[in-house]
Amino acid sequence: KAGVTQTPRYLIKTRGQQVTLSCSPISGHRSVSWYQQTPGQGLQFLFEYFSETQRNKGNFPGRFSGRQFSNSRSEMNVSTLELGDSALYLCASKNANTGELFFGEGSRLTVL
Amino acid sequence: TQLLEQSPQFLSIQEGENLTVYCNSSSVFSSLQWYRQEPGEGPVLLVTVVTGGEVKKLKRLTFQFGDARKDSSLHITAAQPGDTGLYLCAGGSNYKLTFGKGTLLTVNP
Repeated sequence: KAGVTQTPRYLIKTRGQQVTLSCSPISGHRSVSWYQQTPGQGLQFLFEYFSETQRNKGNFPGRFSGRQFSNSRSEMNVSTLELGDSALYLCASKNANTGELFFGEGSRLTVL
Repeated sequence: TQLLEQSPQFLSIQEGENLTVYCNSSSVFSSLQWYRQEPGEGPVLLVTVVTGGEVKKLKRLTFQFGDARKDSSLHITAAQPGDTGLYLCAGGSNYKLTFGKGTLLTVNP
């Protein structure tokens, strides 16, 4: 059974650019959550999608957005990148029966 | 805002030693989870505790949920180099988990 797949694994952008990250959840999982991980702040919740609807949102500016497709794949977008957006972005899909989160390996974004 | 504080932030020990890491909050959580994250990978769930006072064992790891469901501890017996990693606790609602900043454990051979 394939795990959570995130692409790209690594990327480098410059300030002002935008970036799109992709997440394919485990087959059958309909809930996808996104987290930002930095050394200073740890893991912070960005948003959660379920059946193509944003179900919950963390305290991030509007530059951070996401969406979910009918096949449960999800994307997140960050516009007008800032240096402070450099982080590991983690996606997790949820087993609806057990509530367990399964994380992908993350997309490491560096903003120069 | 619910906050989880983990201590210690860093821990470096020798193989065979025992250790305990802590996760504390001023808020009550309906459940609390412990994850381990290795370099270059995402966190992996170790255990979920739900009931106040609950104790769960996973081989050499013992997890305890405080009676008031505000704190938890993770005890590792006879640590091994393979236990090295970032240990994260997380609590919260069904839709959103609040994570602590983690304890970075290094077990030296």
